[in-house]
Amino acid sequence: SAVISQKPSRDICQRGTSLTIQCQVDSQVTMMFWYRQQPGQSLTLIATANQGSEATYESGFVIDKFPISRPNLTFSTLTVSNMSPEDSSIYLCSVGRLAGSTDTQYFGPGTRLTVL
Amino acid sequence: QQQVKQSPQSLIVQKGGISIINCAYENTAFDYFPWYQQFPGKGPALLIAIRPDVSEKKEGRFTISFNKSAKQFSLHIMDSQPGDSATYFCAASISGSRLTFGEGTQLTVNP
Repeated sequence: SAVISQKPSRDICQRGTSLTIQCQVDSQVTMMFWYRQQPGQSLTLIATANQGSEATYESGFVIDKFPISRPNLTFSTLTVSNMSPEDSSIYLCSVGRLAGSTDTQYFGPGTRLTVL
Repeated sequence: QQQVKQSPQSLIVQKGGISIINCAYENTAFDYFPWYQQFPGKGPALLIAIRPDVSEKKEGRFTISFNKSAKQFSLHIMDSQPGDSATYFCAASISGSRLTFGEGTQLTVNP
């Protein structure tokens, strides 16, 4: 498995501002993903963070709103830009394609974002 | 189609009983089916997973049953305990890529 940490664990932000969420893994991983979980809902994939290249976004999510960086194989950031109350969610980082368990994905603890 | 349908939405079971959660999928390209357990304020934790070449997988009190022809799979929790009270998500993926999640089942195990 992998140990995944996210910062911040939670934040309360004002409308129109931006927040950058960090995801750190204790080992090099091939794939990193960012998911959103709205209150009481399931998880929805925002994008796949690609090391050294632009992220691959799912339908309904755009780079201007959710810019993602992945400078190396253990770290990624997700920025939620120009926030509105509808962005209040839990944002989760996950990792996959670990050696010995190529299909398994592990999740970080999440970042709980409240936008006022 | 990429959807995974999960039922029931909520489930209440007495301690010692069997909890059963069902999922159905459409995309026959899915080749990996994990179940995640999520407690309030925590990230989802992998519980158990199965591939379509196996009809059943058991780990402790948790069993996945898989019916490839019906495109359905289910999670059985034997001897359910109050500590099992959580939200459970089924999911599916192709070759370890993006996960498609079911809607989730909130399980309550009464003492």
